[in-house]
This record gives sequence, structure tokens and C-alpha cells, in this order.
Amino acid sequence: NFMLTQSHSVSESPGKTVTISCTRNSGSIASNYVQWYQQRPGSSPTIVIYEDDQRPSGVPDRFSGSIDSSSNSASLTISGLKTEDEADYYCQSYANNNWVFGGGTKLTVL
Amino acid sequence: QLQLQESSPGLVKPSETLSLTCTVSGGSINNSSYFWGWIRQPPGKGLEWIGTIYYGGNTYYNPSLKSRVTISVETSMSQVSLQLTSVTAADTATYFCASLSGVQVDCWGQGALVTVSS
Repeated sequence: NFMLTQSHSVSESPGKTVTISCTRNSGSIASNYVQWYQQRPGSSPTIVIYEDDQRPSGVPDRFSGSIDSSSNSASLTISGLKTEDEADYYCQSYANNNWVFGGGTKLTVL
Repeated sequence: QLQLQESSPGLVKPSETLSLTCTVSGGSINNSSYFWGWIRQPPGKGLEWIGTIYYGGNTYYNPSLKSRVTISVETSMSQVSLQLTSVTAADTATYFCASLSGVQVDCWGQGALVTVSS
């Protein structure tokens, strides 16, 4: 099976743009859709991006997703950062009846 | 709106079996559009997929847990169950019940903390 690797933490100021990456160690990132989940402290995760770049209804368009085959990675970009975006973000993909999560990135907005 | 509620023993002794149930409401557990799964999160750590049960009963488990895990559905009770045998302190985690569709987790329960300790 493959693994998804994320940086442990990132910080940025309100109003700025931040990008969180998720690198797949084997197999093509483009082979299977990537999802992104937001988990605020003490809460269950919620999905913010599905199928690489699709936004569920209710998720602000400040959130966007993409994949880059050259680096075999997926990215979550959040623009116009707000303090409420401070949370842990997890990427997830699926292959061969296995769901795989990245280790998570802690986003601090300060 | 689908809602998932885990029930937990809270504390389990080492070497014993952890048993959790998830009650599904706001939708049919028999809906072929959904799969049901369990995901856990050790304190301060990331998410780990445990396993999934499909409509029709096929199950798939995380290879690292496969020998100890059983997931089942009790349709009459609208419940999804998880059993994890021979637990150790490493199994201490918040356990989330989840509904999945396609390749994503659509809905999460609030989570149930299970502590493995004597």
C-alpha cells in the first residue's frame, strides 16, 4: 500500500494564502482521488475538498484543491485566511479497498 | 441528515476485546449508496482507517489491524459494530464511526474515547 506524507505544521497571518501539501510515496497521485478534511480542536473532521478539487456545498471558495503529477503530490490552498481556519488538515486517498490518511498538518493562523 | 452516534465502554483492560457500536439515524443503514467504517485517532496524533463494511456485507480492513478487527452491521438495530481483540495501550484512541461513499468519508460520528489500561 502507499503512504501520504504531510508537513507537520504551517503558520500564516490572517488575510494571507497558505498551501498544504500531501505527497504520495508510491503510485501516481493522479491514479486515485484525493480528499481533504479539516479538524478543529475537540471536533470530528469535516470534508473540505473531495475528488482532488471539488468543494462540498457550504465550504467557502477560499478553499481549493489541486494535484501535481510532477511532484506526485496534492495541495490544499486556503486564501484570505481567517482565524477560524486554524485547525488540523488531513489528506486522504483510496485504492484497492484501502483508505489512506496523511499524517496531518497543523495550520496556525496568527 | 445522517447522524452517527458511537457508544463506548470508555475503559478496556489490556489483552481484552474492545467493542463499540454506532447507531445510525436520519437515513437507512440499508442504503446501497453508503459504506460504513471505523477510523481512530490516538491522543494528539493523526487519523488511522480501521476498516469498512460494504452494502452486502463485504469487509475490508487495514492490513496492520486485520488479524484483530471485525466490523459488522445489525440492520434491525441500525447499528454498525467494531470489535478489536487483544488490545494494548497502543489502541488507546478516539474511535470514529463514519459513512463513506465513493472514495471519501461523508459523515463522521462525534467520536468515542477508549482507554486501554489495567
